[in-house]
Amino acid sequence: GAVVSQHPSRVICKSGTSVKIECRSLDFQATTMFWYRQFPKQSLMLMATSNEGSKATYEQGVEKDKFLINHASLTLSTLTVTSAHPEDSSFYICSAPVYGYTFGSGTRLTVV
Amino acid sequence: GENVEQHPSTLSVQEGDSAVIKCTYSDSASNYFPWYKQELGKRPQLIIDIRSNVGEKKDQRIAVTLNKTAKHFSLHITETQPEDSAVYFCAASMGDSNYQLIWGAGTKLIIKP
Repeated sequence: GAVVSQHPSRVICKSGTSVKIECRSLDFQATTMFWYRQFPKQSLMLMATSNEGSKATYEQGVEKDKFLINHASLTLSTLTVTSAHPEDSSFYICSAPVYGYTFGSGTRLTVV
Repeated sequence: GENVEQHPSTLSVQEGDSAVIKCTYSDSASNYFPWYKQELGKRPQLIIDIRSNVGEKKDQRIAVTLNKTAKHFSLHITETQPEDSAVYFCAASMGDSNYQLIWGAGTKLIIKP
């Protein structure tokens, strides 16, 4: 089946710094990648949809200048959390709409 | 847009008993309804899905039923086991070709030994 490799799995960063999360499709080409954020005991919240070669589509309330999404190739989509603050601490996970929906393993971001 | 409601938020059942989780959706254009199991800190894992041209689907101890007229679908787990303890999410989509999933709020299933 399809595999989406997501890195890093865990990251701790200082407030004000930026963090990049990568999602790679290992055995298929992903023209679309969904990026979710999940706070403890809550459901997955769609942040944005990235499309290869074009600008990402952000959901209402998600700051596009803070959460930079790049989908420069058919196998790599990245999410950069810029100037991270403690309230950005969350579980971030990507998903490609392939074979149903194929999820990355998630990234636990802690901002201190 | 689509809205998915899921109940209950927490479900506690005795080991060996059955568990039922229910979801309703609002957009009649939705035609794909997956169920995911998520363990703490892990990715959601697809356990079963159903498309709108089918009313019921079963895979061993897990079954899903869909009522298109009433716009609701349910997850049934029989002979529950301790390893079934997790959070379960329902979702709806207008297909798996670049359409986003609309998620339910989740159900924490607790299997009591």
